[in-house]
Amino acid sequence: GQSLEQPSEVTAVEGAIVQINCTYQTSGFYGLSWYQQHDGGAPTFLSYNGLDGLEEKGRFSSFLSRSKGYSYLLLKELQMKDSASYLCAPMDSNYQLIWGAGTKLIIKP
Amino acid sequence: GAVVSQHPSRVICKSGTSVKIECRSLDFQATTMFWYRQFPKKSLMLMATSNEGSKATYEQGVEKDKFLINHASLTLSTLTVTSAHPEDSSFYICSARDPRGSDVDTQYFGPGTRLTVL
Repeated sequence: GQSLEQPSEVTAVEGAIVQINCTYQTSGFYGLSWYQQHDGGAPTFLSYNGLDGLEEKGRFSSFLSRSKGYSYLLLKELQMKDSASYLCAPMDSNYQLIWGAGTKLIIKP
Repeated sequence: GAVVSQHPSRVICKSGTSVKIECRSLDFQATTMFWYRQFPKKSLMLMATSNEGSKATYEQGVEKDKFLINHASLTLSTLTVTSAHPEDSSFYICSARDPRGSDVDTQYFGPGTRLTVL
């Protein structure tokens, strides 16, 4: 079967670092993407991990462990505009993205 | 980066009418586009996969005759909601795969279309 788990909500302070975890189980696995979605908007691509390890893109980093079915998104130097939902989307061997409801990140001043 | 546009961004229509939504890849050719719908605070739900020059592949439970998909060119896919009803009101989002670069299977999303059926 296929499953995807992320915390429904995470709260952090402006300027701090926050980690959003994702565990998944898919029928086959090709890679995993992270997306950002603001309320009322469409998802925006953040990062992609095809292999184990850390991918860094500016303030955002994403980590993947294929053997553990685990990924996390790390956001540094949080800004108020980072308040959004963050979607972890693994891709199965049929190139289908698996979607969950995502993690709502609340940032406090 | 890859840019996908969608039109219209918002549409309000009467029950029983048909609505066409366009999805365009602006700076790349997309052999595959995807159509999603999303209800408030819910996950994206894949409706269908649109392949250029061939019939769309619909997900289980999605009515083919109600949600007509046409992918006539490498940069344009359209979704037509036929005989729309209030329960069809939702946020419809398209995405496309960018075959260029290293993240070849990454999907890039259009800005979405909010459909309200009265």
